Amino acid sequence: KAGVTQTPRYLIKTRGQQVTLSCSPISGHRSVSWYQQTPGQGLQFLFEYFSETQRNKGNFPGRFSGRQFSNSRSEMNVSTLELGDSALYLCASSTGVTGELFFGEGSRLTVL
Amino acid sequence: DQQVKQNSPSLSVQEGRISILNCDYTNSMFDYFLWYKKYPAEGPTFLISISSIKDKNEDGRFTVFLNKSAKHLSLHIVPSQPGDSAVYFCAANGDTGRRALTFGSGTRLQVQP
Repeated sequence: KAGVTQTPRYLIKTRGQQVTLSCSPISGHRSVSWYQQTPGQGLQFLFEYFSETQRNKGNFPGRFSGRQFSNSRSEMNVSTLELGDSALYLCASSTGVTGELFFGEGSRLTVL
Repeated sequence: DQQVKQNSPSLSVQEGRISILNCDYTNSMFDYFLWYKKYPAEGPTFLISISSIKDKNEDGRFTVFLNKSAKHLSLHIVPSQPGDSAVYFCAANGDTGRRALTFGSGTRLQVQP
């Protein structure tokens, strides 16, 4: 069974631009969550979607947003990019039954 | 305010010996704990978990111990192998739902051949 797929894997943007990242969960998984990984902060929870509804949100500014489609695919958007947004963005899917999350390989964003 | 702390950023052990990775938490609402392993350029992969109703869970070479009174858990790897070299993250949930994990900052394990 295919794993979690994230696109693009790498991207470079400049300050002030916006970016959209995509995530396709494991087939049958209805929960998709997003995490930001930076060297200094580790993995930080951004938000979680279940059946197209945002159910949990971490402590990130409103520039970070997301959505989930009816096929469980999810996108996250970051507007007005700042240098500090440079990070690895990880998507994870889950059945929701246990706390096990299955992560994709991530999208590495560099903001110049 | 870090609710899950991994105070050792790195650990080096010899092949065949035991690796012990530690994790402390402050939120008493956490009731489910997980360990993830991460190789460079890959997403974290799930290793082992433990519910707060248990104090030990074992899976092959990996054992997780939970001390609720001390709010401490540890991951033991016996015997350690060079392929175990990776960054290990401790994670917990319980207060914001099963799918919002709070991660520690990670411990880089190096297993020397």
